[in-house]
Amino acid sequence: DTGVSQDPRHKITKRGQNVTFRCDPISEHNRLYWYRQTLGQGPEFLTYFQNEAQLEKSRLLSDRFSAERPKGSFSTLEIQRTEQGDSAMYLCASSSSGTGDGVYLVDTQYFGPGTRLTVL
Amino acid sequence: AQSVTQLDSQVPVFEEAPVELRCNYSSSVSVYLFWYVQYPNQGLQLLLKYLSGSTLVKGINGFEAEFNKSQTSFHLRKPSVHISDTAEYFCAVKHPGGYQKVTFGTGTKLQVIP
Repeated sequence: DTGVSQDPRHKITKRGQNVTFRCDPISEHNRLYWYRQTLGQGPEFLTYFQNEAQLEKSRLLSDRFSAERPKGSFSTLEIQRTEQGDSAMYLCASSSSGTGDGVYLVDTQYFGPGTRLTVL
Repeated sequence: AQSVTQLDSQVPVFEEAPVELRCNYSSSVSVYLFWYVQYPNQGLQLLLKYLSGSTLVKGINGFEAEFNKSQTSFHLRKPSVHISDTAEYFCAVKHPGGYQKVTFGTGTKLQVIP
């Protein structure tokens, strides 16, 4: 397994445009998370999926943000009408609620490399 | 609500010297505690975690942390640092079961000086 992957790694867009990021979790991890990290800060929780169900959403996730995980595998995070304040690193993580496979610890979030968004 | 405080935003230390990165948490219930490391322009990598049991937890790269319930602390230590340890370190807390939200501290930048 190659771990959690995210695409693209970098995105530059103009204010007002829509952007979409993709996250591919560790295979068979049933839980997937999105975080946002701004310069000098720790990651801030945005939302969480268990399989295809979105179970938790932060108040940080305004109505311009939407996340999906339609088949319980990869997930997308879309930001509509981007603003300069949306510039940040968007991190995806995945975890397993199962018994573990000896490689990845149960109930531990493993992070991808992130997508860095710059809104001009 | 849970919160994490990392009082030191930057910690400079000479190579081969010991280091301690401080973390205090606040929670009304029991918690899971984590330390992650982030190298420049990369995602977070788990160093170690505490769920229950022994309060001294050993992690990767020679790091260890001690859970102190009475002081609500989970400080990270390494007896001898290397240049390659230069990175940002994040302490994090999560409630067991139920809610999956992990709350991170603001991070401590460890700078190892040759």
